[in-house]
Amino acid sequence: NAGVTQTPKFQVLKTGQSMTLQCAQDMNHEYMSWYRQDPGMGLRLIHYSVGAGITDQGEVPNGYNVSRSTTEDFPLRLLSAAPSQTSVYFCATFGEEGAYNEQFFGPGTRLTVL
Amino acid sequence: AQTVTQSQPEMSVQEAETVTLSCTYDTSESDYYLFWYKQPPSRQMILVIRQEAYKQQNATENRFSVNFQKAAKSFSLKISDSQLGDAAMYFCAYRSAHTDKLIFGTGTRLQVFP
Repeated sequence: NAGVTQTPKFQVLKTGQSMTLQCAQDMNHEYMSWYRQDPGMGLRLIHYSVGAGITDQGEVPNGYNVSRSTTEDFPLRLLSAAPSQTSVYFCATFGEEGAYNEQFFGPGTRLTVL
Repeated sequence: AQTVTQSQPEMSVQEAETVTLSCTYDTSESDYYLFWYKQPPSRQMILVIRQEAYKQQNATENRFSVNFQKAAKSFSLKISDSQLGDAAMYFCAYRSAHTDKLIFGTGTRLQVFP
């Protein structure tokens, strides 16, 4: 049971390049989300999905696209990278554990845009 | 909109001593969940403790406990018998019972001195 996996762990891009951050989970959770973490700002929600075929915007969606074709995968696409997108990106899933509701986080991807 | 505020960017504590990290939040809802996450240098987000708003009893997990004051919208984390491994960023987070979105504070960096 791998939980939530993210690839790559590190990535350096040039301005204008595109790339996809991968996120996969094996817990059969319906809810998946992407956050970015910047110094002094905590984690901010980019996009989320409540199930296959359903996505919605979070707090900071501009410059990012997502799709959800399967329960397991939730890729985050940067179509034209900008230096402002330099950040650490976390994928998370939500699962109900008894009476509690916990989000499980992937290990993160550190992205640098030059 | 809900907000989470952590007013202490940095805190320090001596090994074996007790430290309290502060968190306040703003919401008009009555049904929600509160969390404390730990982020060590490895970047992994680790759930430390969670509290359901309808429960009056403060949550406790070994050396970690919370002081949940619903009327004051305060949710502080107390770490007893601090250990060197407790050194990390700590994030307070809020989730409404009606959505799946986590809202994070800006974090508190905890240093533990021997």
